[in-house]
Amino acid sequence: AQKITQTQPGMFVQEKEAVTLDCTYDTSDQSYGLFWYKQPSSGEMIFLIYQGSYDEQNATEGRYSLNFQKARKSANLVISASQLGDSAMYFCAMREGRGVNRDDKIIFGKGTRLHILP
Amino acid sequence: EAQVTQNPRYLITVTGKKLTVTCSQNMNHEYMSWYRQDPGLGLRQIYYSMNVEVTDKGDVPEGYKVSRKEKRNFPLILESPSPNQTSLYFCASRVMAQSGDTQYFGPGTRLTVL
Repeated sequence: AQKITQTQPGMFVQEKEAVTLDCTYDTSDQSYGLFWYKQPSSGEMIFLIYQGSYDEQNATEGRYSLNFQKARKSANLVISASQLGDSAMYFCAMREGRGVNRDDKIIFGKGTRLHILP
Repeated sequence: EAQVTQNPRYLITVTGKKLTVTCSQNMNHEYMSWYRQDPGLGLRQIYYSMNVEVTDKGDVPEGYKVSRKEKRNFPLILESPSPNQTSLYFCASRVMAQSGDTQYFGPGTRLTVL
């Protein structure tokens, strides 16, 4: 079974609209972390946002926010007021465990390709 | 500037010719790892290292070797490359901080094995 599921292989969104990229995860750990990364066509991986499983508030970073619903095991990325430069591949990832031992692996989903239309 | 560097960025080679992709980070991070990215499969971890002289297998270690003789460097070695190792490779270093867990990626190395 997949640990990280991104159900939207591709999305087309009009510029300036808000975007929600779906991510569900599967873990039996109580302590874990969730990440979102952006990969533009140039290929680099850009860290966007992190949410710890014990964080009570949803993480936010500028136009990015993570809609964390623990009971549903979902960690959707919300991009407000989308811009043409948001066109990219987006990956959701999860770290199981507390990360204290630093040997906890990070597992990636297969990604969602987002296209912003002018 | 905090960064992870990889070299080379692009490489075309032939089956069986040993190669090394270097990775270096200037953030004094203990944790480093290598991933490969293939279409439709996302990123898969090859090897990781928790500290100097400590390395462990990720999900797809076959055909690869790594070493961690010093904190900043984590080279990926392909002793006898094969065409199924054609891929985009990322090195990353990671830190756990008060603000959370952050993994920084290098720019990627696009490898083609003929």
